Amino acid sequence: KNQVEQSPQSLIILEGKNCTLQCNYTVSPFSNLRWYKQDTGRGPVSLTIMTFSENTKSNGRYTATLDADTKQSSLHITASQLSDSASYICVVTKVTSGGSYIPTFGRGTSLIVHP
Amino acid sequence: NAGVTQTPKFRVLKTGQSMTLLCAQDMNHEYMYWYRQDPGMGLRLIHYSVGEGTTAKGEVPDGYNVSRLKKQNFLLGLESAAPSQTSVYFCASTPQTLREQYFGPGTRLTVT
Repeated sequence: KNQVEQSPQSLIILEGKNCTLQCNYTVSPFSNLRWYKQDTGRGPVSLTIMTFSENTKSNGRYTATLDADTKQSSLHITASQLSDSASYICVVTKVTSGGSYIPTFGRGTSLIVHP
Repeated sequence: NAGVTQTPKFRVLKTGQSMTLLCAQDMNHEYMYWYRQDPGMGLRLIHYSVGEGTTAKGEVPDGYNVSRLKKQNFLLGLESAAPSQTSVYFCASTPQTLREQYFGPGTRLTVT
């Protein structure tokens, strides 16, 4: 079964600190991996997208890594801000034999940044 | 440029009633998606479309139908609503499969 597992489920950190979120997946055949940020009551917003050949991608204070061999990804947030409080979702997309791209979403990591 | 919009934002239905959720995008994107998000679970793909006039089933299509008569609109229909369809529904669009998906603000649906 294609799965995406994220850890930790929730995380509380102090403003200014760094943190790393994890994503393990079994989705196959792999097409791409994305990280999204979802604020409460809003739709997800894309942070990064990586294909098989990419092992790191940055977007400001967000840096995602991908190890396609071990099927693991991480999202590192540097110098956290209060506005980083949100759910961070890992999404792995597979490509079917018919050429369709089907995403599988993780349950997300809920991050709370305290002042 | 409004991006992706969803109508309505909230709706309460009684079991057995029908309704249609509208998703509209003004970015000329080919691909459009409908997801549902339930507490403690990741978003799950209901149906998707790879272009005007096309639709395909996702992970949880039962109880839903869709139509993409115009490129900019993707409609999600519930013919006979059930309490299990209480959820937040998100629509998304993307120009290509390897590009980011743009999500709408969501529709909160309650079926009593």
